[in-house]
Amino acid sequence: QSALTQPRSVSGSPGQSVTISCTGTSSDVGAYNFVSWYQHHPGKAPKLIIYNVNRRPSGVPNHFSGSKSANTASLTISGLQAEDEADYYCCSYAGGYASFGGGTKVTVL
Amino acid sequence: QVQLQESGPGLVRPSQTLSLTCTVSGDSIYSGGYYWSWIRQYPGKGLECIGYIYYSGSTYYNPSLESRVTVSVDTSKNQFSLKLSSVTAADTALYYCARLAVRGVYYFDFWGQGTLVTVSS
Repeated sequence: QSALTQPRSVSGSPGQSVTISCTGTSSDVGAYNFVSWYQHHPGKAPKLIIYNVNRRPSGVPNHFSGSKSANTASLTISGLQAEDEADYYCCSYAGGYASFGGGTKVTVL
Repeated sequence: QVQLQESGPGLVRPSQTLSLTCTVSGDSIYSGGYYWSWIRQYPGKGLECIGYIYYSGSTYYNPSLESRVTVSVDTSKNQFSLKLSSVTAADTALYYCARLAVRGVYYFDFWGQGTLVTVSS
């Protein structure tokens, strides 16, 4: 059982927006602005797409955005594209180590 | 470009010790500024941070695994290693090594491809 709770799957048509939630506690997500998100295509290395809640690394498309409210962080993919179909994981600093979510599969219909 | 590559046995017997090594290229572990981490992915997909180490030897371990885990670093080889003792089938997973940035941030920016470890007799 993962420390952070994510929906198992979300789906959307090309061009639509989808939002993935990541629910933690006041000891991790709610305590620190150190939430990151990773895109994972099976068989490849996970890729960092959001860090510090809402910052995008260089080279990550701007249709990925992050936010946080209380103990829940969110990743929004705007203008869904075929190549966005992947697994997405959230991660939060938890006071000495990292807590991850169980992952959300994004399907582009 | 920073690259990490995991290596080690793909099959470990129950009650034995799992040992993996991560070789880093494109960055020097000794340069500091980053922690070097082990993360695993269960067959059901979830990720779990096992622990991480600084070049000086300072370590942080997941409390749920702390009694069985040792992470060490060999700066001369630019490698770091994981040992997980008394393994059971529940330790079967895909094991990743990754670089962790922590100066005013907290994220894993480079990952290896992962290595599958199966615990079975």
